[in-house]
Amino acid sequence: GAVVSQHPSRVICKSGTSVKIECRSLDFQATTMFWYRQFPKKSLMLMATSNEGSKATYEQGVEKDKFLINHASLTLSTLTVTSAHPEDSSFYICSARGSLGDTQYFGPGTRLTVL
Amino acid sequence: QKEVEQDPGPLSVPEGAIVSLNCTYSNSAFQYFMWYRQYSRKGPELLMYTYSSGNKEDGRFTAQVDKSSKYISLFIRDSQPSDSATYLCAMSPYLTQGGSEKLVFGKGTKLTVNP
Repeated sequence: GAVVSQHPSRVICKSGTSVKIECRSLDFQATTMFWYRQFPKKSLMLMATSNEGSKATYEQGVEKDKFLINHASLTLSTLTVTSAHPEDSSFYICSARGSLGDTQYFGPGTRLTVL
Repeated sequence: QKEVEQDPGPLSVPEGAIVSLNCTYSNSAFQYFMWYRQYSRKGPELLMYTYSSGNKEDGRFTAQVDKSSKYISLFIRDSQPSDSATYLCAMSPYLTQGGSEKLVFGKGTKLTVNP
């Protein structure tokens, strides 16, 4: 099956620093990648959608200057949380979809804790 | 009214029981319906997806969609302790080639199967 990896799996950082999270599709080319955030006991909330080589489309209420998304290749997308604050602490999950119109395959998630 | 409603549980059953998980939705444009399983601190794993109304069976899992009632179900037969996880329903109006689909998730139902 389709495999999506994320790195790091867990990160702790100080308030004000930036954190980069990588999402890779390991055995297929992902024309579209999605970034979600999940708070405890809450559902996944879509943050942004990115297509390879284009600018990401952000959902309403998500600051594009704070959550920088780069989808530079068909197998890699990165999410950078800039000037992180404690309220940014969450579980960030990416998903990837191939060019065949199949559904989304999710990565294992990255737990971000901002002190 | 939220677009997708799902009882968060928790739901606790004995091993071998038949489990019924459900979601209701309000958007009649939804055509694709998915069930994901999420273990603690992991990303969601696609279990099943169905298009429009009807049933789909895969091993011990059966997904049902009733578009007239805007109601979907996931049944797990002969439940096992390894089935203990949070089950998320998700749905979308379309899956397009070369485009992107937005999945709308339920909150997830936490299931525990006791040995």
